[in-house]
Amino acid sequence: DAGVIQSPRHEVTEMGQEVTLRCKPISGHDYLFWYRQTMMRGLELLIYFNNNVPIDDSGMPEDRFSAKMPNASFSTLKIQPSEPRDSAVYFCASSPLGANEKLFFGSGTQLSVL
Amino acid sequence: EDKVVQSPLSLVVHEGDTVTLNCSYEVTNFRSLLWYKQEKKAPTFLFMLTSSGIEKKSGRLSSILDKKELSSILNITATQTGDSAIYLCAVAPPSNTGKLIFGQGTTLQVKP
Repeated sequence: DAGVIQSPRHEVTEMGQEVTLRCKPISGHDYLFWYRQTMMRGLELLIYFNNNVPIDDSGMPEDRFSAKMPNASFSTLKIQPSEPRDSAVYFCASSPLGANEKLFFGSGTQLSVL
Repeated sequence: EDKVVQSPLSLVVHEGDTVTLNCSYEVTNFRSLLWYKQEKKAPTFLFMLTSSGIEKKSGRLSSILDKKELSSILNITATQTGDSAIYLCAVAPPSNTGKLIFGQGTTLQVKP
């Protein structure tokens, strides 16, 4: 298995632009998580899905952030409009049923909003 | 508020040294405690601990959980430059969701 695949690896955009981050989880994993990592706040959970259904989005900072999982092999995290304070590394992770604490992380997307 | 605190925040050692990283938590009735290693980008899983006093070991790395003290340690013996990384501790709350609370991490630098 190729592991969790995220794209793009790097994204540089200007304030106000829409940003879409993509994730392909490991096949067969039931859970998908979006995390954000910054120096100040460390790793923070934004939202997670179970069997494509959003379960907890309490970590989503505000309405500018949205996430979807249209099928078991694809998820997106969208920021519209983006702001400089959104600059961070965004990780997608997946885990299997029965061992859902054992997260497998993607390589992350380094987002810079200018 | 549930919280995970790691110490030290950063550490510099020389190859061959033994290091101990600490993790303490304030999480009510947690299910498990996990350690991850983050090199360059993606965190990778090291250990999951659920029972107090039972050591998990993988090569030069070992970890143990103390539920009475609400803490865990990660030991690395005979450190190598390849051990340089951020070590993350995380706790899973009792609900079976996989939702983890991460500590801020310990940055370990191993010098040749």
